[in-house]
Order: sequence, then C-alpha cells, then structure tokens
Amino acid sequence: QQQVKQSPQSLIVQKGGIPIINCAYENTAFDYFPWYQQFPGKGPALLIAIRPDVSEKKEGRFTISFNKSAKQFSLHIMDSQPGDSATYFCAANGNTGNQFYFGTGTSLTVIP
Amino acid sequence: EAEVAQSPRYKITEKSQAVAFWCDPISGHATLYWYRQILGQGPELLVQFQDESVVDDSQLPKDRFSAERLKGVDSTLKIQPAELGDSAMYLCASSLAGTGDYEQYFGPGTRLTVT
Repeated sequence: QQQVKQSPQSLIVQKGGIPIINCAYENTAFDYFPWYQQFPGKGPALLIAIRPDVSEKKEGRFTISFNKSAKQFSLHIMDSQPGDSATYFCAANGNTGNQFYFGTGTSLTVIP
Repeated sequence: EAEVAQSPRYKITEKSQAVAFWCDPISGHATLYWYRQILGQGPELLVQFQDESVVDDSQLPKDRFSAERLKGVDSTLKIQPAELGDSAMYLCASSLAGTGDYEQYFGPGTRLTVT
C-alpha cells in the first residue's frame, strides 16, 4: 500500500515557469513532510520540509503548501531554471518508528 | 559539511555471488537507514537501526539479506546469494532520532548490477 501518492510522474516546463508537484497521504499520524531532490547517479538531497502546524513554507525559490484537512502538500518551484531538472520525491514521517515513506517521484525537466 | 559515506559506489556481481555494502553515517546520528531504490521509483526502506538495534526490518528479505551495525556507528548490508532482481541503487541515510529532529540525510548510494 502506497502511503504517499505523488503526481505527476513527469513534468516539463519552460525556464521561468512554476512547476507544481503534488502529494497526498492518508495516515494522520504523519507530522513531518520533506521534499528531496535527486540528480542521476546521486542520493536524494533534502530540499525543504514542513510540519503540519503551518500552511506554507518558503526557502529561496522553493515553497511547500500544506493542506492538513485535505491531507495534501505540494512543492512549487518559482522561476525554474534548467539546473532544477531532477527527480523530486515527497516523503512523510510520523512519530511512531521514525520511518520515512516516499512518493514515487516526479521527473522535472526545465527547458532553457 | 558532514556527509554520509558509502562504498563502493558501483558494484557488478554475478548471480549467486555475495556482495556487501558499507555505510558511515554523519557523526552523532543515532538512526541509520538502508533503502533500495529501483530506477524510476522512490526509495523503499530495507532496515532501520537505532544505535546498534534494529528498529524495523520488516521489508528486508531475510533469506538473502542481512544488516548489522555492531558498534552503533557504521553499518554493513550484505546480500548472499545475489539475484538478478537485486540490481538497484542501495542508499544509506542517517538522522538524529529521539530529539524531534527528523531531517534525514542520504549518502551517494551504491549502484549494484547483478549479471
């Protein structure tokens, strides 16, 4: 059973566009929601994370929007650049066992 | 900047052979994770350690996989015998657990190819 559902599977945007990646979860015990960026042949790198006590968090060009009632969260990349082309994973973690559950990933391509 | 170290970075092995991966977490990180990532998919947890104890190994194929973290620092993941379906990226990650800090940091991974 997929604990975290991620969409879309792939995304192509022009430079300067705002790609949006969405994730949904069912387990209300989750209380930490990170996003990871992964380049080919590398391990995932923590990009930004949010806890459910806030509805939005910004770090540089990256913004997480969180909707607790809908059990959804999304990543927005402002002024996207070709260097942002990578695979993005959402994840969720709860207090029990400290296990992380990952989405299936979104392959983002930013066209110059 | 502290990083999670993994070796080897690449491993090619024949089916039925034994293979081992090593991970050194960020200093002071009590929780260590081993993940398997199949190309085009998200990481899937194999085993999670808290210090030297296994917290969760429910997804570890115990007939062929084993993991240890004897002194609660570095860790080894072993596969014996390797099967074609084991070809994947094996990722190690670590985090400060029990402090309310859930940030998880990944190593560069070991790309395993079983022929």
